[in-house]
Amino acid sequence: AQKVTQAQTEISVVEKEDVTLDCVYETRDTTYYLFWYKQPPSGELVFLIRRNSFDEQNEISGRYSWNFQKSTSSFNFTITASQVVDSAVYFCALSVYSGGGADGLTFGKGTHLIIQP
Amino acid sequence: ETGVTQSPTHLIKTRGQQVTLRCSSQSGHNTVSWYQQALGQGPQFIFQYYREEENGRGNFPPRFSGLQFPNYSSELNVNALELDDSALYLCASSFTRGLSSEQFFGPGTRLTVL
Repeated sequence: AQKVTQAQTEISVVEKEDVTLDCVYETRDTTYYLFWYKQPPSGELVFLIRRNSFDEQNEISGRYSWNFQKSTSSFNFTITASQVVDSAVYFCALSVYSGGGADGLTFGKGTHLIIQP
Repeated sequence: ETGVTQSPTHLIKTRGQQVTLRCSSQSGHNTVSWYQQALGQGPQFIFQYYREEENGRGNFPPRFSGLQFPNYSSELNVNALELDDSALYLCASSFTRGLSSEQFFGPGTRLTVL
């Protein structure tokens, strides 16, 4: 069975601070994908990034960066120079191959990020 | 390009009743997945439909059932509603059923069971 753990329930920082959201995953599959989604108060999940298990290169997209480390089964997300608009709930998710097709995404419980002005 | 839409936005039902939630997938997408998100929790996978057939299912009882239509829109049906079914129900569509597929989520239907 798959599992995603986001130990940080809530993080509050002041605008312009850097913040890192942690994600630890568990799976016995060697082929899998990791995702991050953002959920603003409106409720709609917004895709941020996808990473496959064979690609451990870190990725940077503007103020966002992701650090994937298979050795520690972690896929952490860092926001640099945070802004109030970054306030949302962030979910880490895992997808594995079930043989007949992809299983649905397994989500963590989410981290509620609050950016104070 | 029209995104994923869901209806209704909100719904209130009583225990024992049945409910149908609807989802229109994004143009060009042939796969639809449904998730249940309880308050303060991450979404939980209910099932996925690909080309009108159930392609995978999470740990939900048979009273949760679905359909996918030729235009790839989908319905989620829940029979014999229980209080614990109160949640946000999210629909997601994707271009394919592959595990790497980016899933595009709709705004959800908030179901309250009294």
